[in-house]
Amino acid sequence: DAGVIQSPRHEVTEMGQEVTLRCKPISGHDYLFWYRQTMMRGLELLIYFNNNVPIDDSGMPEDRFSAKMPNASFSTLKIQPSEPRDSAVYFCASSLDRREETQYFGPGTRLLVL
Amino acid sequence: GESVGLHLPTLSVQEGDNSIINCAYSNSASDYFIWYKQESGKGPQFIIDIRSNMDKRQGQRVTVLLNKTVKHLSLQIAATQPGDSAVYFCAEIRHSSASKIIFGSGTRLSIRP
Repeated sequence: DAGVIQSPRHEVTEMGQEVTLRCKPISGHDYLFWYRQTMMRGLELLIYFNNNVPIDDSGMPEDRFSAKMPNASFSTLKIQPSEPRDSAVYFCASSLDRREETQYFGPGTRLLVL
Repeated sequence: GESVGLHLPTLSVQEGDNSIINCAYSNSASDYFIWYKQESGKGPQFIIDIRSNMDKRQGQRVTVLLNKTVKHLSLQIAATQPGDSAVYFCAEIRHSSASKIIFGSGTRLSIRP
């Protein structure tokens, strides 16, 4: 298995633009997680899905952020409109069950909003 | 509360020596803890975990110690190798509270040849 796949790996955009980050979880995994990592705040859980259904989105910073999982093999995290403070590395992770120790992280998308 | 990392502490260790990385967690009600390793340009990778009813757990070359009295967690790496160079951070979870996971700010481990 190729592991969790994220695209793009790097994104540079201007403030106000829409940004869409993509994730393909490991096949057969029922849980998908979106995280954000910054030097100031470390790694934060934004939202997670179980069987394509959002379960906990309490970590989503504000309404500019939205996440979808239209099917078991694809999820998106969208920021509209983007702001410079959204600059971070965004990770997607998937797991077979809810246990934290079984989460497999993707390589991340490094986002820079100018 | 959540830990905030303004500066990433660095631990420099001679190859072959043992490494000890420390973490202070914030919530006394946390009942599950994980150590992650993150190499440059990669996502975090699970290393070892421990539940609050234990004070020590050993894996392959790694040992995690938990001191609930002072809310302290440590990761010991035996015979440190160049491949151990990475950022290590701990995470705490309180399963009774919707399993919200809180990550520490991390420590960079640097290996001297």
